[in-house]
Amino acid sequence: DGGITQSPKYLFRKEGQNVTLSCEQNLNHDAMYWYRQDPGQGLRLIYYSQIVNDFQKGDIAEGYSVSREKKESFPLTVTSAQKNPTAFYLCASSPGTSGNEQFFGPGTRLTVL
Amino acid sequence: AQSVTQLGSHVSVSEGALVLLRCNYSSSVPPYLFWYVQYPNQGLQLLLKYTTGATLVKGINGFEAEFKKSETSFHLTKPSAHMSDAAEYFCAVTTTGGGNKLTFGTGTQLKVEL
Repeated sequence: DGGITQSPKYLFRKEGQNVTLSCEQNLNHDAMYWYRQDPGQGLRLIYYSQIVNDFQKGDIAEGYSVSREKKESFPLTVTSAQKNPTAFYLCASSPGTSGNEQFFGPGTRLTVL
Repeated sequence: AQSVTQLGSHVSVSEGALVLLRCNYSSSVPPYLFWYVQYPNQGLQLLLKYTTGATLVKGINGFEAEFKKSETSFHLTKPSAHMSDAAEYFCAVTTTGGGNKLTFGTGTQLKVEL
């Protein structure tokens, strides 16, 4: 089955630690995206990548980093510089061409202890 | 710049009643519009989308939406609500170019009562 996987589903981290969230897709999509979801705020774009080895900042990139070394993988690192990292993180992919829907993974819920 | 406004963060309807979730957008160029649904602790699933052509768009689970350029609206409707429709609904917009980035509204939580 084609789709997007995110792991882990739940993640706990201590303050001051970096943590990496995994996102893998087997849809052969060029573009991949990371969103952060907080109650009452909808989804906000963190980073996106249209092709391998290239990515751009979204609206709330501070405190986050990404890499795109392979077409199917787009991991997100939440660094200690992110002041309020507790949130639900969603990864998505699309063919990249304007007007195409984005396909979403099941999400990772990150909690900072 | 583009933006989306969803009026009503919470909407409650009776089972069998009409569902109407409102979405207004702002875009300086012709938009592409989407409605997604999210069940608790899950990802988003596409309900329907408007790109070009027919302004009345039919989606999954009996939902439909009408693109009204003059009103800059893309309201989501369903004639008869079912208990399984209880979820959070997001309207989103994107335009040509710019990497197909979506701008989302803040969401509407739909509650369906017996």
